[in-house]
Amino acid sequence: EPEVTQTPSHQVTQMGQEVILRCVPISNHLYFYWYRQILGQKVEFLVSFYNNEISEKSEIFDDQFSVERPDGSNFTLKIRSTKLEDSAMYFCASSGHRGGHEQFFGPGTRLTVL
Amino acid sequence: AQSVAQPEDQVNVAEGNPLTVKCTYSVSGNPYLFWYVQYPNRGLQFLLKYITGDNLVKGSYGFEAEFNKSQTSFHLKKPSALVSDSALYFCAVRERSSASKIIFGSGTRLSIRP
Repeated sequence: EPEVTQTPSHQVTQMGQEVILRCVPISNHLYFYWYRQILGQKVEFLVSFYNNEISEKSEIFDDQFSVERPDGSNFTLKIRSTKLEDSAMYFCASSGHRGGHEQFFGPGTRLTVL
Repeated sequence: AQSVAQPEDQVNVAEGNPLTVKCTYSVSGNPYLFWYVQYPNRGLQFLLKYITGDNLVKGSYGFEAEFNKSQTSFHLKKPSALVSDSALYFCAVRERSSASKIIFGSGTRLSIRP
């Protein structure tokens, strides 16, 4: 069964450093998303991406964040200058359609900012 | 603004007994509703969804959920719990007018004792 994959599984970085989290969505999906889950808190929507542009973003997704689909398979989330409060589990998701269709989630990348 | 409430942080059930995990929502218009499950150190796995039609929807692993428009609820149920059902369960909602953002509840930890 096809699945969303994410690398790395755990990323440790120093405050102020740039990080890139990588995702490979399900191959025939067209809609891509990033969510995050701070330890002990709920899963929060960050951004959605379709047709090579952001279609929706939350207030969390400020100028420090960017997303890119550099080739036909990868979908990346970049944090330019990490802060302590960026420490969280970051989930990538994809779906084949808009509307009432489920999003399929990857296993997540745990980001630890020191 | 859309929101989801899961009033119980934890639900404890004996194996073989029926289980219910509660969820209420607040959105404008008719919602798309979802349940996801998260096992330790894993991503979110889709269980079931309500889009339209029958109020009782069936999903993976024997789970079902009942959409109640008047009570704005979407409770997750299973007739006979298994120890392997122990996990963190998230209710989620999406407005039909939204491009893609899913709003998650805070999660309910389900613990099934042998």
